[in-house]
Amino acid sequence: GQSLEQPSEVTAVEGAIVQINCTYQTSGFYGLSWYQQHDGGAPTFLSYNALDGLEETGRFSSFLSRSDSYGYLLLQELQMKDSASYFCAVRDPTNAGKSTFGDGTTLTVKP
Amino acid sequence: NAGVTQTPKFRILKIGQSMTLQCAQDMNHNYMYWYRQDPGMGLKLIYYSVGAGITDKGEVPNGYNVSRSTTEDFPLRLELAAPSQTSVYFCASTSGGSSTDTQYFGPGTRLTVL
Repeated sequence: GQSLEQPSEVTAVEGAIVQINCTYQTSGFYGLSWYQQHDGGAPTFLSYNALDGLEETGRFSSFLSRSDSYGYLLLQELQMKDSASYFCAVRDPTNAGKSTFGDGTTLTVKP
Repeated sequence: NAGVTQTPKFRILKIGQSMTLQCAQDMNHNYMYWYRQDPGMGLKLIYYSVGAGITDKGEVPNGYNVSRSTTEDFPLRLELAAPSQTSVYFCASTSGGSSTDTQYFGPGTRLTVL
């Protein structure tokens, strides 16, 4: 099976940098994905790490270490609009499309 | 491209009623998913499909049924609605390749069972 753990809440101030961690126990996976969800909205894709290392997309970066069963999402130059929930997710290659999400981290950005 | 569409957006059901949540995508994606999200919680996989005619159970399939007769459509059927099925339901799709894993989500259906 697949299980992913994330901190439930993180708080940071505008302009700061915040890291949201995701540790996982899986029997294998294609890669680690990150999604953002604003209150009342649908999840939207942010980033995907197929290989170990850092992927950068503007203010957002994501990191994966398969040997440590660990990944993180790094948000830089925080803005108020970054206040949202963030989810890590994996798909199981031994079970075709089966997808598992973490329980999510609620990020609150304060002025 | 409309992406992933879901209908209805909101629905109130009485206990024991049935309904079908509609989901359609126009991106020719093979993989489609149904999730439920309870308040303050993560996404729980109900059912998924890797192509037309192929469906499989996810983490929380009890009380639900699905079908996938075409690539585009993936309806979710609730039989004998119960208060425990009050939730927000999201449909999603992806191409299914291993080099990318972007799931595209519909806007969701907010269901209340009273």
